Amino acid sequence: GENVGLHLPTLSVQEGDNSIINCAYSNSASDYFIWYKQESGKGPQFIIDIRSNMDKRQGQRVTVLLNKTVKHLSLQIAATQPGDSAVYFCAENTHNQGGKLIFGQGTELSVKP
Amino acid sequence: GAVVSQHPSWVICKSGTSVKIECRSLDFQATTMFWYRQFPKQSLMLMATSNEGSKATYEQGVEKDKFLINHASLTLSTLTVTSAHPEDSSFYICSARGDRGPLETQYFGPGTRLLVL
Repeated sequence: GENVGLHLPTLSVQEGDNSIINCAYSNSASDYFIWYKQESGKGPQFIIDIRSNMDKRQGQRVTVLLNKTVKHLSLQIAATQPGDSAVYFCAENTHNQGGKLIFGQGTELSVKP
Repeated sequence: GAVVSQHPSWVICKSGTSVKIECRSLDFQATTMFWYRQFPKQSLMLMATSNEGSKATYEQGVEKDKFLINHASLTLSTLTVTSAHPEDSSFYICSARGDRGPLETQYFGPGTRLLVL
């Protein structure tokens, strides 16, 4: 299925650097996007969301960018900390899909002290 | 806000037994709850969608008689794995959406790790 990933992409950054995690989404009709953070052995945690009528949204230390032309979503984390180490998933919602979210394969972020 | 709990957090059972997992929205009313399964190093696989007071909608390939879902109230959904076998061992996660935040946002529980011996 579309949610199954055999190899989890990894990103390794130095503590204090900025991180950029990318996601290519599948449906051009998707109108709402969410980034989740999942620490080992835990459930996904909501980080930030963005609607399709926006290109950018900022939160605390995080920024989400949306490029609908190429169906691309990115999550930028400023001044990455060891506590940011986790797997990050993007998810897309399409209006007529009964509220289901389609998840990307995830990216594992590793922060080096 | 938007806290979702699951119980138990982990369970070990013998092959052939049934296991019930509870998912509760603690500070909001959840009109819809979702059940996912996740294997190591993989993304979340949606198993079923349940709306309060109605039958669950299962994804293709998920056996509804094996994974029984009940969503009896606006704060509680249960997943029962019937006649569990070792291949059912996995990490099961629920999510809920309702009257907290954007309607499309799902808030996740902490997950339940199931090991079938």
